[in-house]
Amino acid sequence: AQSVTQPDIHITVSEGASLELRCNYSYGATPYLFWYVQSPGQGLQLLLKYFSGDTLVQGIKGFEAEFKRSQSSFNLRKPSVHWSDAAEYFCAVGARSGGYQKVTFGIGTKLQVIP
Amino acid sequence: DTGVSQNPRHKITKRGQNVTFRCDPISEHNRLYWYRQTLGQGPEFLTYFQNEAQLEKSRLLSDRFSAERPKGSFSTLEIQRTEQGDSAMYLCASSLGNRSTYGYTFGSGTRLTVV
Repeated sequence: AQSVTQPDIHITVSEGASLELRCNYSYGATPYLFWYVQSPGQGLQLLLKYFSGDTLVQGIKGFEAEFKRSQSSFNLRKPSVHWSDAAEYFCAVGARSGGYQKVTFGIGTKLQVIP
Repeated sequence: DTGVSQNPRHKITKRGQNVTFRCDPISEHNRLYWYRQTLGQGPEFLTYFQNEAQLEKSRLLSDRFSAERPKGSFSTLEIQRTEQGDSAMYLCASSLGNRSTYGYTFGSGTRLTVV
C-alpha cells in the first residue's frame, strides 16, 4: 500500500523568505503525486500534480514541486512567501486501486508566516 | 458555483443520535469519494462511488456508517448511534472517471462534533 511522510509538522517562515516543504512517498510503481492546501475550516484545494514527464511541475499561487524518483521525494517550494500562504499543506500519493485513483494523504505541514 | 457542495457545514449532536450529511459533486463528475479528517491528521479514505455503485469501503467505515449515491448524483453519509470518536471533519470529493488522474475537487467539509 502507498504511504506519504511529511516530516515537518509545523514550519515558520518570514514573509518574503523562500519555502520548502518536504514530502517522501512509498509506492511500488510510478506514483501520481499531489500537493493540496487547506485553510482553517475549509476543504482542500489542489496546488499541483505530477503524473509523468517533466519532473519539475508548476502549480497555482506561485508554487512548484520537484519529483525525485531516486529519493522518493516530491518537495514543494515557493521562492517568496506571502502572508496569505499561511495554511496547512498536504502531500498525497495516488495509486491505481480497482480501476480508479485512490489518494492517500500525509498528516500535513502547518505553515506559519511571520512579518 | 459549480464546485462540490457539502451540507451542513457544522453539526453538533448528542452521543447515540444519528446524523446524515449530504454531498453534491460537480455535475459532470461520475466519481465521488468520502474522507474523514481528525485534528492533526490528513484526510483518511472512507469510501468511493462510481456513478451509483459503491466500489470500495475502508475498514474505518464500521457498520454504523452507511453511504449512498442514488442515481449517481448527490451522496449521503449516515452515521448511526454516534460516538465521541466520530467527531471529525467529513470531506467529500469528486472527479471525472476518464480524467481521474487530474486530482480531486473537494468540498468545504462537514464538521461533526459529538457531545
